[in-house]
Amino acid sequence: DADVTQTPRNRITKTGKRIMLECSQTKGHDRMYWYRQDPGLGLRLIYYSFDVKDINKGEISDGYSVSRQAQAKFSLSLESAIPNQTALYFCATSKEIGEQYFGPGTRLTVT
Amino acid sequence: GENVEQHPSTLSVQEGDSAVIKCTYSDSASNYFPWYKQELGKRPQLIIDIRSNVGEKKDQRIAVTLNKTAKHFSLHITETQPEDSAVYFCAEGGTGTASKLTFGTGTRLQVTL
Repeated sequence: DADVTQTPRNRITKTGKRIMLECSQTKGHDRMYWYRQDPGLGLRLIYYSFDVKDINKGEISDGYSVSRQAQAKFSLSLESAIPNQTALYFCATSKEIGEQYFGPGTRLTVT
Repeated sequence: GENVEQHPSTLSVQEGDSAVIKCTYSDSASNYFPWYKQELGKRPQLIIDIRSNVGEKKDQRIAVTLNKTAKHFSLHITETQPEDSAVYFCAEGGTGTASKLTFGTGTRLQVTL
């Protein structure tokens, strides 16, 4: 499903570095989300945005920030990466409360 | 806040048998309950969802049942096939401008031959 794309797909970075993960969508959806997936913990919401001027914290926002540059773009930043932020990160979009369409994921390793 | 418990965490069934995964939730305002399937190395994808105005929904071999009084919902897969092997996530959400999904921790289903 190329409607939701994420870059980079894989990234290895060092502790203390700033890193940005980018998400783009061509589905025309207003709602966008960033999740983190860890084994045994499911998908946990980091931040979400219901339109360009709306940003909301999810359940695990500490250590992360986001930017909604346009309806189609939603970026996640780690200002100072730490090893326990090593995880698989997914972006998703939805029209309203309903089906969420996920990107392919970004595998981030912080050493 | 919202909380979704999902059981079991792993499930192994023989091909052709049925599989059932259960989730409980705490927010009585929740009214949307989707199930996602994530194959190995892939992104989660919606397989079925149900809204609170119905108690059951079926789509070929999969069905979801909802008990709002008890605050639990279940995924039923009949006649399992090897391609059903994946991780399944339940989720719950509400309506309104603040609505979002809260996901369960996932069930790894293995269908053996």
